[in-house]
Amino acid sequence: DAKTTQPPSMDCAEGRAANLPCNHSTISGNEYVYWYRQIHSQGPQYIIHGLKNNETNEMASLIITEDRKSSTLILPHATLRDTAVYYCIVSKIQGGSEKLVFGKGMKLTVNP
Amino acid sequence: GAVVSQHPSRVICKSGTSVKIECRSLDFQATTMFWYRQFPKQSLMLMATSNEGSKATYEQGVEKDKFLINHASLTLSTLTVTSAHPEDSSFYICSPSQVGGYGYTFGSGTRLTVV
Repeated sequence: DAKTTQPPSMDCAEGRAANLPCNHSTISGNEYVYWYRQIHSQGPQYIIHGLKNNETNEMASLIITEDRKSSTLILPHATLRDTAVYYCIVSKIQGGSEKLVFGKGMKLTVNP
Repeated sequence: GAVVSQHPSRVICKSGTSVKIECRSLDFQATTMFWYRQFPKQSLMLMATSNEGSKATYEQGVEKDKFLINHASLTLSTLTVTSAHPEDSSFYICSPSQVGGYGYTFGSGTRLTVV
């Protein structure tokens, strides 16, 4: 079973920041938070991951609460191409044989 | 880095025939390969996990004799759907994995339609 919960959907205006929440209250100390997104009929695309500290890359920022029970993915300037299903996943290690368990994800719709 | 090639992207086959899906990691060595399937409007469900040179481990409810997985090299894995039936129609996605780095990458998926 997925160890994360996300709202089923969210709308965002083009050009505005999109803040995508995720709860992972049972996360273990050695588990990372991963974010992926899936655009219709494509494979999941890696966005960002983190353990404890906030992370930023060219795609997004990841804010993890101090207790690590929740996190927020921030797309600073959403575009129409960011419309996708976003998955928040926790996993113990970076790759290897540890499988990723996908929940239902959250459908982000960016509106013009 | 972490380039994955999965093909075919789309295939239509007749009931009772077999279909092979290939997944290649082009610029890294995948010690582990995950195979997922996704039915319409649903999330990805893990089917099986394989380590290079070893037999695959199947998730509960996935028939190992129907979904044959070969992971003979660190850069290539195949999934063969044998004696396909319409209920096998789905979106199949591979995920080669290596320890470290991003760890998890995904193929672009294969849309299988069994008629």
